[in-house]
Amino acid sequence: SQQGEEDPQALSIQEGENATMNCSYKTSINNLQWYRQNSGRGLVHLILIRSNEREKHSGRLRVTLDTSKKSSSLLITASRAADTASYFCATDAARNTDKLIFGTGTRLQVFP
Amino acid sequence: DAGITQSPRHKVTETGTPVTLRCHQTENHRYMYWYRQDPGHGLRLIHYSYGVKDTDKGEVSDGYSVSRSKTEDFLLTLESATSSQTSVYFCATGLAGGYNEQFFGPGTRLTVL
Repeated sequence: SQQGEEDPQALSIQEGENATMNCSYKTSINNLQWYRQNSGRGLVHLILIRSNEREKHSGRLRVTLDTSKKSSSLLITASRAADTASYFCATDAARNTDKLIFGTGTRLQVFP
Repeated sequence: DAGITQSPRHKVTETGTPVTLRCHQTENHRYMYWYRQDPGHGLRLIHYSYGVKDTDKGEVSDGYSVSRSKTEDFLLTLESATSSQTSVYFCATGLAGGYNEQFFGPGTRLTVL
């Protein structure tokens, strides 16, 4: 089945550094979304980028989308310890827009 | 928060017993989803609903059934629980399927002994 795959699986950085996570997917999409999950909690939506958009910003988050390469990246600038979480990309499927397919996630650890 | 609750939050049961998990929303969202989350697999869709009494299978639906008799509630049933169904289960809701964001409940940790 179509699935986003995040890279890297785990990432450790110091506070103040930038964190970049990548997501690749397999088939045509209408949009791609990024979610954050703190330990033991449900997922929280961060940002959605449509297939006709190339870049989107939200606060310290910057998402890019390259539909020709079927890939997206999430950049968190000036990271904080509170950004420690798992991050997931999710894609719909152009032929079935009822549901999302989630990747396996990137675990981000930000050290104070 | 989008007003999504799950019950129970934790459950330990034995192999072969039936289990029902409940998801309740107060947002009047059309779509509701059940996912399971396991290490190394991310979130996998079990079943989803696109309206009252309208449901469809996800990628890991074997051994699970669902029902949605009213907008607010989406039930997930394990007819005869197996140890492979030990997992964390998340419910999510959304307005427009994959076109918009999904809102997640807090999760139910199920252990099947």
